[in-house]
Amino acid sequence: KQEVTQIPAALSVPEGENLVLNCSFTDSAIYNLQWFRQDPGKGLTSLLLIQSSQREQTSGRLNASLDKSSGRSTLYIAASQPGDSATYLCAVYGGRDDKIIFGKGTRLHILP
Amino acid sequence: ETGVTQTPRHLVMGMTNKKSLKCEQHLGHNAMYWYKQSAKKPLELMFVYSLEERVENNSVPSRFSPECPNSSHLFLHLHTLQPEDSALYLCASSQGDRGPDTGELFFGEGSRLTVL
Repeated sequence: KQEVTQIPAALSVPEGENLVLNCSFTDSAIYNLQWFRQDPGKGLTSLLLIQSSQREQTSGRLNASLDKSSGRSTLYIAASQPGDSATYLCAVYGGRDDKIIFGKGTRLHILP
Repeated sequence: ETGVTQTPRHLVMGMTNKKSLKCEQHLGHNAMYWYKQSAKKPLELMFVYSLEERVENNSVPSRFSPECPNSSHLFLHLHTLQPEDSALYLCASSQGDRGPDTGELFFGEGSRLTVL
């Protein structure tokens, strides 16, 4: 059964710093991995989708990498801003369960 | 309107009430989903519809009843709920529901349900 883990569960960093969020999964037979952002009480906003054949995707200050063989993905946020404060979730699709499985998320707080 | 729209945004109901959540997607997608998000737990998939046909029912209690009249609309009918059903219910859509062609998952803003 696919399991998705996000560490740390919470993170506080000063504004302007670069930071990395981690996502690991147990079954490497995936089709894609998606990173989302969720603000309190709101829905999920898609940030980046990485197909299994890709190594990374970039959007503005965000860069997501995928290492399927080791079951890991990272979300790199450059020059963090207070507006980046949110919960970041990764979701993995595929594996033997053929389902989309979410991690519990990392709650990020950027200190002004 | 664009994207995925959910109504109502907030709903308070008693355990004997009957209510419905509505989801509409304007993305031309073929698959729609209901997820439940409870505090301190990962998102739980409830139902998946592909081209209006239910393709997955994730062992959800029968007090939750989905309906997909067409590929753009999805409902979740609620009756005789329990207080532990209080959660944020999220609707999502994607291009497909199987394999590498699934594409990105797009979510609505959610319906915050409180059961008294």
